[in-house]
Amino acid sequence: KAGVTQTPRYLIKTRGQQVTLSCSPISGHRSVSWYQQTPGQGLQFLFEYFSETQRNKGNFPGRFSGRQFSNSRSEMNVSTLELGDSALYLCASSLGGTGAEAFFGQGTRLTVV
Amino acid sequence: DQQVKQNSPSLSVQEGRISILNCDYTNSMFDYFLWYKKYPAEGPTFLISISSIKDKNEDGRFTVFLNKSAKHLSLHIVPSQPGDSAVYFCAASEGNANAGKSTFGDGTTLTVKP
Repeated sequence: KAGVTQTPRYLIKTRGQQVTLSCSPISGHRSVSWYQQTPGQGLQFLFEYFSETQRNKGNFPGRFSGRQFSNSRSEMNVSTLELGDSALYLCASSLGGTGAEAFFGQGTRLTVV
Repeated sequence: DQQVKQNSPSLSVQEGRISILNCDYTNSMFDYFLWYKKYPAEGPTFLISISSIKDKNEDGRFTVFLNKSAKHLSLHIVPSQPGDSAVYFCAASEGNANAGKSTFGDGTTLTVKP
């Protein structure tokens, strides 16, 4: 069973640019969540998509957006990048119910210069 | 306001001894708690979970204890092995509709010395 795949693994962008990150969940999983991890910080919840609808949203500015396609693949977009957006972005997929174990991808390391 | 707190950034134990990682939460609506382990350059991997209707869940060397009145949970690893050295995250979620939204602590780095 293939795991969660995130692409690209590494990305360097310039301040002011925009970026799109991709996440392919485990087959059959309908929930995809996105998290940001900065050095010394825990995982900060960005948003969750379930069956193509945003079901939950964290406390991030509107520059952070996402979507989910009918095959459950999800993309996350960050516009007008800031230096502080440099982080590891993790995607997790699950079946979506209470207590459903989340399976994480290896993450995309974004560096904004 | 950090709703899930892991007050010990690091913990060092000797191989074969018990490791106890602690986690406190403030949101009484949390009803499911999970522990994840993370190695460098990898995403977190699920370790063990517990529902709020239980006070203990055991899986091999790993046991999670939940004290709802104190809003506290702990992960016990017995016996600890060098391969357990990693960052451990405590996470909590509330309700079925919010199942995909977990609130994580900042993590505790466990080092198990041979």
